[in-house]
Amino acid sequence: GQQVMQIPQYQHVQEGEDFTTYCNSSTTLSNIQWYKQRPGGHPVFLIQLVKSGEVKKQKRLTFQFGEAKKNSSLHITATQTTDVGTYFCAGSQGAQKLVFGQGTRLTINP
Amino acid sequence: NAGVTQTPKFRVLKTGQSMTLLCAQDMNHEYMYWYRQDPGMGLRLIHYSVGEGTTAKGEVPDGYNVSRLKKQNFLLGLESAAPSQTSVYFCASSFRDRGMNTEAFFGQGTRLTVV
Repeated sequence: GQQVMQIPQYQHVQEGEDFTTYCNSSTTLSNIQWYKQRPGGHPVFLIQLVKSGEVKKQKRLTFQFGEAKKNSSLHITATQTTDVGTYFCAGSQGAQKLVFGQGTRLTINP
Repeated sequence: NAGVTQTPKFRVLKTGQSMTLLCAQDMNHEYMYWYRQDPGMGLRLIHYSVGEGTTAKGEVPDGYNVSRLKKQNFLLGLESAAPSQTSVYFCASSFRDRGMNTEAFFGQGTRLTVV
């Protein structure tokens, strides 16, 4: 079945450093979504990418969808303590169920 | 508009007891999911539903049953709780747009402890 792998599992950075998490699917996806889960909270939707090679930005966050629609990345520029949490990607093929990656837990040293 | 509501928020069970977790969504979403999340871990799919009256197994279905008799509700049952089922349970729902499964909305979670 469809699998979505996410790396790294953990990342610790100094405040102000950049951060990137990568998502790879075993199959071509219709769309890729990114979620953020704050410690003790629930996952919250950040963004969805649909088009091959698509790039979207939200302030310091940059999201990319690969040309083959099998991989994606989330890059945070100049991390802040408010960026702490676990970032999940999720993909689906057409109308099939969403499949989540294992998540990347980001911790930040102020 | 409440979104996705889970009840209860906390529960302590004794080994062998049964319970039902309720998930309700008021967004008319077709898809509903139950996940478990162990400390420091990702989301593992237990069961899901693509519409009223239909359910399917996820990656960790053993020890759980589900029902979706109404489109807005998705129930997760534990028939005989085990300590290994101690976890945080999240319900989520999503909708279909232009043939794609789109944004998932999560409930606040149910923290279950089995002693």
